[in-house]
Amino acid sequence: ILNVEQSPQSLHVQEGDSTNFTCSFPSSNFYALHWYRWETAKSPEALFVMTLNGDEKKKGRISATLNTKEGYSYLYIKGSQPEDSATYLCARGSGNTPLVFGKGTRLSVIA
Amino acid sequence: KAGVTQTPRYLIKTRGQQVTLSCSPISGHRSVSWYQQTPGQGLQFLFEYFSETQRNKGNFPGRFSGRQFSNSRSEMNVSTLELGDSALYLCASSRGSGGRTNTEAFFGQGTRLTVV
Repeated sequence: ILNVEQSPQSLHVQEGDSTNFTCSFPSSNFYALHWYRWETAKSPEALFVMTLNGDEKKKGRISATLNTKEGYSYLYIKGSQPEDSATYLCARGSGNTPLVFGKGTRLSVIA
Repeated sequence: KAGVTQTPRYLIKTRGQQVTLSCSPISGHRSVSWYQQTPGQGLQFLFEYFSETQRNKGNFPGRFSGRQFSNSRSEMNVSTLELGDSALYLCASSRGSGGRTNTEAFFGQGTRLTVV
């Protein structure tokens, strides 16, 4: 199973700052790229599922882009709030293998 | 609509024992995947079941096994427990199968297994 890499591993930002993190994945045999938010003591929850090169999705202050040719996706958070503190996971789906998750980016938003 | 339910939530077992964890997926979801999460590691894929058939298996020893029933509920079993099996075990259900899905996976809250 090919690796999905996320960077940075952790991030501390001030409330109100905008931030972004990266998910890199093998571009061969790509099917879909998933983003999940995992808050402490809760279950991971889906943010976005993207399939097409150039896809951009937005949910409130959070948005994501996808480049399947070069194998990366960015997640952006505009005006971070303390409630955005969580671990953000990306996962790559291909035609032949199950979803492969990265290790996540742990975001802490300081009030 | 009820979410993914995992039982039990917490479990303490002794080395050498065996354990069975249960996962009830969202109604209508035929795919159930199991993941292990340990500190410093991402979600490590264990196996996926779709319509009672194991579709994929991760790189775990044969002590880890699973099955899926006709109502899509799934169980995973770990035999001869080792200290290193202490982890959070998550299951996820989805409509489509594994990587061939463009719909999100829905996760349970996990079972925290501690082996002493």
